[in-house]
Amino acid sequence: GENVEQHPSTLSVQEGDSAVIKCTYSDSASNYFPWYKQELGKGPQLIIDIRSNVGEKKDQRIAVTLNKTAKHFSLHITETQPEDSAVYFCAASRGGSYIPTFGRGTSLIVHP
Amino acid sequence: EAGVTQSPTHLIKTRGQQATLRCSPISGHTSVYWYQQALGLGLQFLLWYDEGEERNRGNFPPRFSGRQFPNYSSELNVNALELEDSALYLCASSSGQGAQPQHFGDGTRLSIL
Repeated sequence: GENVEQHPSTLSVQEGDSAVIKCTYSDSASNYFPWYKQELGKGPQLIIDIRSNVGEKKDQRIAVTLNKTAKHFSLHITETQPEDSAVYFCAASRGGSYIPTFGRGTSLIVHP
Repeated sequence: EAGVTQSPTHLIKTRGQQATLRCSPISGHTSVYWYQQALGLGLQFLLWYDEGEERNRGNFPPRFSGRQFPNYSSELNVNALELEDSALYLCASSSGQGAQPQHFGDGTRLSIL
């Protein structure tokens, strides 16, 4: 089955810095890669996603890149703000009857 | 558009009891997924329902079960509760099978005393 590795498990940055979270996947048939943000006491919220026919996608301060050859994808957050502090999860999915596989999460702490 | 709603928000039970958790998906979504999120751990897949049928099941014992109703809402039942069942139970819905975005509710916090 699919295996998703996510690094780092904890990331501490100063407000205004950039943050990068990386995920690798094992199943070359995976073709959909969402990222979720989970704030304390809340469920995960979809913040950005990318499909395998696209190499990069941006939404304001957030971007995701995908390298299909190396089987890894990354979340980039620029100009971090304290409200970006949360746990971020990556996932990989191949459609059909397959269940998305989630990474173990990255706790991002943005210090004011 | 209303998001995924889960009830109750919190549930306190004792060992050996049974718990029922409920989920209403986003209107138009036919797939419902259940996940367990224990403290400090990631999302562990429990069950997937689509069009009223169980489509897939995670590596959990049979005392974890559920169903999906004709209106696509779903319930998760946990029998013979054990202390290690204490966790946040998350429900997600999507508009179809496979590679579609999943939208999560805020979960039910189940505490076993």
